[in-house]
Amino acid sequence: EIVMTQTPHFLSVAPGQPASISCKSSQSLLYRDGKTYLFWYLQKAGQSPQLLMYEVSNRISGVPDRISGSGSGTEFTLLISRVEAEDVGVYYCMQGLELYSFGQGTKLEIK
Amino acid sequence: QVRLVESGGGLVKPGGSLRLSCEGSGFMFKDYYMSWIRQAPGKGLEWVSYIDYGGSTIHYADSVKGRFTISRDNTKNSLFLQMNSLRPEDTAVYYCARGYSLAHWGQGTLVAVSS
Repeated sequence: EIVMTQTPHFLSVAPGQPASISCKSSQSLLYRDGKTYLFWYLQKAGQSPQLLMYEVSNRISGVPDRISGSGSGTEFTLLISRVEAEDVGVYYCMQGLELYSFGQGTKLEIK
Repeated sequence: QVRLVESGGGLVKPGGSLRLSCEGSGFMFKDYYMSWIRQAPGKGLEWVSYIDYGGSTIHYADSVKGRFTISRDNTKNSLFLQMNSLRPEDTAVYYCARGYSLAHWGQGTLVAVSS
């Protein structure tokens, strides 16, 4: 089983400031097809999770370009360059290489 | 637009059974892998099971293996989760999600296992 470890568990960020979330996997998420099966989701209060990013750094339509994903192998980062009120919620990373498993989540609030 | 609607949740006693359904619309249901994911109250996300297009490839999380059965009926654009031998730790909101990237999720249905 691939274990996903997210840090920090909680972030309090002032509007306009950057926020960074780390996600580490217990084994490489690079598959022989050259793709890396790491995804990012945001769950806003009272809502279902929504996909933000697939295969590390590919934004879903509608996700602003101030949100970016990076990383390779076993270490990944979600960066919000300038936090806005709409970014509040819990962020989860997920691996899709071997079945699926999620990180523990990072709760982002506005300071 | 893509829509997934779960139903079938409720309150059940430990050891009991429940069958969840997820109806898809706005897309070709038969062309997508489908998954169930759950979220215990105040907790994170836990993948439960997935099924391929025709139902020939199925996987379960260890926590539900032998107790839960996933299935689908492509003629009715529907996904199912038969849950037997339910335990208090199965209490959660159960979501269905579409595709290998879980790009679309339903609103969830609450399952509560308590005596």
